[in-house]
Amino acid sequence: QKEVEQNSGPLSVPEGAIASLNCTYSDRGSQSFFWYRQYSGKSPELIMFIYSNGDKEDGRFTAQLNKASQYVSLLIRDSQPSDSATYLCAVGLTGRRALTFGSGTRLQVQP
Amino acid sequence: EAQVTQNPRYLITVTGKKLTVTCSQNMNHEYMSWYRQDPGLGLRQIYYSMNVEVTDKGDVPEGYKVSRKEKRNFPLILESPSPNQTSLYFCASSSGGDSPLHFGNGTRLTVT
Repeated sequence: QKEVEQNSGPLSVPEGAIASLNCTYSDRGSQSFFWYRQYSGKSPELIMFIYSNGDKEDGRFTAQLNKASQYVSLLIRDSQPSDSATYLCAVGLTGRRALTFGSGTRLQVQP
Repeated sequence: EAQVTQNPRYLITVTGKKLTVTCSQNMNHEYMSWYRQDPGLGLRQIYYSMNVEVTDKGDVPEGYKVSRKEKRNFPLILESPSPNQTSLYFCASSSGGDSPLHFGNGTRLTVT
C-alpha cells in the first residue's frame, strides 16, 4: 500500500462546476497536509495546507481533513480552464525527514 | 522576493561527464531537499539537509552527491551521469521537514 494515494485521473469537469480531488494516507500519526498544483513541466505550487480536522477555505479552494478516516480532499469551486493541472497531495509528520507525496490527480476543466 | 533558484533550467550532457546543478534559497530555511520527477513515479526524494553540514539520503540517492556548506546553497552533483538519470529535478526548501515546501523552477536534465 502506498503511503499517500491519489486517483491519477484524468478528472474531467465542465467550466463552472465543483472539482473534488481526494487523497488517502496510511500513517495515522500524520499531522500536516498540503495540496500542490503543478502545470506540465513546471514546479509544484502550494495551494493549501491544513493541520486540523474540518474545512479550510481560501478563495475558490477548500481543503477538508478527516483524520479518523485518513483522507484529505480539495474542492475547487467555479472551476476554470486555467485550473487544468495535476494536483499533488503531500503529507507530513513531525520528525520525519520529508513530506510524502502522492502521484497526483490530473484535472481537466472543459470550457 | 522569496524564492528558490535553480540553475540551469535545461541541461543536455553525455554519459560520464560530471555536472552540478545549483540551488539557492533566500528565505533563511534550514531544510533543503532535492527531488526527481519521472512520469508515473511522482516526486522522489534524492537527498535532504536539515542544516549546514548535515545531509542525508532520501529514497533514490544512488549516483548523486550533495553538499551544504552554507545555509542558502544546496548543490546537486552527478559525478558520472548515466541515461537513467534523465529526469526533471526540483530543489525545495522549508522551515522544517513537515512544513510547506517551496520549490525551485526545476532543471530538465538529459543524459545521452
